[in-house]
Amino acid sequence: AQSVTQPDIHITVSEGASLELRCNYSYGATPYLFWYVQSPGQGLQLLLKYFSGDTLVQGIKGFEAEFKRSQSSFNLRKPSVHWSDAAEYFCAVGAGNTPLVFGKGTRLSVIA
Amino acid sequence: DGGITQSPKYLFRKEGQNVTLSCEQNLNHDAMYWYRQDPGQGLRLIYYSQIVNDFQKGDIAEGYSVSREKKESFPLTVTSAQKNPTAFYLCASAGVGYYGYTFGSGTRLTVV
Repeated sequence: AQSVTQPDIHITVSEGASLELRCNYSYGATPYLFWYVQSPGQGLQLLLKYFSGDTLVQGIKGFEAEFKRSQSSFNLRKPSVHWSDAAEYFCAVGAGNTPLVFGKGTRLSVIA
Repeated sequence: DGGITQSPKYLFRKEGQNVTLSCEQNLNHDAMYWYRQDPGQGLRLIYYSQIVNDFQKGDIAEGYSVSREKKESFPLTVTSAQKNPTAFYLCASAGVGYYGYTFGSGTRLTVV
């Protein structure tokens, strides 16, 4: 069965510091991979997605993610975090018309 | 602008009552989904529909029901059989190819 693991429940970074959020997946076929962001009490917004091709994908708000098939990982990165990036981040996996499976999320706090 | 609308944003229900959450989209998307979100649990799939007049159970369908009479609408009924209905409910839709979901802003249901 497909699954997504986000090992870090909560991460705190200083404003201006770099960020990496980890995501590991288990999937039987070549997966589609996604990162979403959620502000408190809101829906989820798509940050970026990977289907095939270049394993480094660029998204909105300066985020990028790298697909590593050998490690079954799809980690999210940002070189310099802004206070407005504080939110909850979800990694998701799916393929074709199979419903997406989401990780449990990583809450990001940003300190001055 | 196209989007997906959930209403109401907040909903209170007495124990033993059924309640229906609304989800409407004007994106012309074929597929629609209902997820439940609890703190620390991520998103769990309740029901989904890939075509009008057809829907499938997700991982936690017990105590819920849905209908898909129109492409634009996918209402979710939380029945009295749902033992712990207090949660944040998210509706999403996806177009051809299912290249990522568009989410509504959610409904927070509280049983009082």
